[in-house]
Amino acid sequence: DTGVSQDPRHKITKRGQNVTFRCDPISEHNRLYWYRQTLGQGPEFLTYFQNEAQLEKSRLLSDRFSAERPKGSFSTLEIQRTEQGDSAMYLCASSLATGSNYGYTFGSGTRLTVV
Amino acid sequence: AQSVTQLDSHVSVSEGTPVLLRCNYSSSYSPSLFWYVQHPNKGLQLLLKYTSAATLVKGINGFEAEFKKSETSFHLTKPSAHMSDAAEYFCVVRRGVLNNDMRFGAGTRLTVKP
Repeated sequence: DTGVSQDPRHKITKRGQNVTFRCDPISEHNRLYWYRQTLGQGPEFLTYFQNEAQLEKSRLLSDRFSAERPKGSFSTLEIQRTEQGDSAMYLCASSLATGSNYGYTFGSGTRLTVV
Repeated sequence: AQSVTQLDSHVSVSEGTPVLLRCNYSSSYSPSLFWYVQHPNKGLQLLLKYTSAATLVKGINGFEAEFKKSETSFHLTKPSAHMSDAAEYFCVVRRGVLNNDMRFGAGTRLTVKP
């Protein structure tokens, strides 16, 4: 499979619990992005990595959110002390860094439901 | 700051009739613009992209979009709608060449009636 993989596809958690999502990008892509999409809205940028370096974080990424890409390959997004407002689809995408001609390849997302 | 506005949250057409999904952009310099499609329970798929080459861009599945600087628009069109085109469509602007992250519009839901 040469696409972007996300795991799990669905996650239901109780409020206050911690959750972690994983993203495996296309192997030759050195940039990896996390987006959040709520119902009826377009995806909103959260953060991105170039290789293992986290280069930018949106103000949407509160202190309860942390993302890592330890070896410049897969990435994890952790949400601590989940709140009902965290319920959303979390999308991962990857791309090449060079030039402006590259679109992203998106994964199918992880749907989080906080009850 | 770069941003896009999708002018219609919902468009409904009959099968076989033309499709027009409208997008206006705001950018302090020549932007890179994209259209993505999202089918239910599927990932986002790139339809087409404009990156300062030809202003009329052809994409997959018969879609095309025209970059009009004077109107700051990047509308998506298709001559004849098919039932399989029913989906959510997002107009997207790349924030910057160096930063590379994308900003999505709110989306337009396309319904195709038989």
